[in-house]
Amino acid sequence: GAGVSQSPRYKVAKRGQDVALRCDPISGHVSLFWYQQALGQGPEFLTYFQNEAQLDKSGLPSDRFFAERPEGSVSTLKIQRTQQEDSAVYLCASSNGTLAGVPGELFFGEGSRLTVL
Amino acid sequence: KQEVTQIPAALSVPEGENLVLNCSFTDSAIYNLQWFRQDPGKGLTSLLLIQSSQREQTSGRLNASLDKSSGRSTLYIAASQPGDSATYLCAVVNRTGNNRKLIWGLGTSLAVNP
Repeated sequence: GAGVSQSPRYKVAKRGQDVALRCDPISGHVSLFWYQQALGQGPEFLTYFQNEAQLDKSGLPSDRFFAERPEGSVSTLKIQRTQQEDSAVYLCASSNGTLAGVPGELFFGEGSRLTVL
Repeated sequence: KQEVTQIPAALSVPEGENLVLNCSFTDSAIYNLQWFRQDPGKGLTSLLLIQSSQREQTSGRLNASLDKSSGRSTLYIAASQPGDSATYLCAVVNRTGNNRKLIWGLGTSLAVNP
């Protein structure tokens, strides 16, 4: 596609529900990142994929957070048993190749805004 | 630990002014630095990427410079327009530690008044 696409754009969940957020990266981009952005803050790194391999998940805040990219293209970020502190914008970004894993220019989607009541 | 600071936090200027946004970082061992723009309720739009070996990048009315030794980058916006109003963020990728994650500043909120 022309850009990174994320869905849903907005999600309201009751505390305890599971949610799934989808990211369609730019076609051909091997690197995919998930970030979490709280209101008024910069994005916080969650996890990184190179093709289908999840090479870094050091930023995932708890074992309730799970991400996958089974075919090296579309990625899903799943949050189980959502809590109020999970409310944030979840941003997906892709990059066309990396040098030794270092991201080049990152292209972001518009994000999925999650509100947990 | 790398820390990225952006000054000023907010800036309001009349249309047509040339302006400079500042980004400083504490560890000069970086791979690259990237400037982004974020509109309210929107995602991040990449503006310019500067590799550590480069001194500046230009795109239209935007010019970004990088002085790695002093840990500074500036984003110069020429002939500002109301449509430039947004939050501008800079982010670096470290050579040490986790070299896949961007370290972000908190941004400069820019308002260009007609």
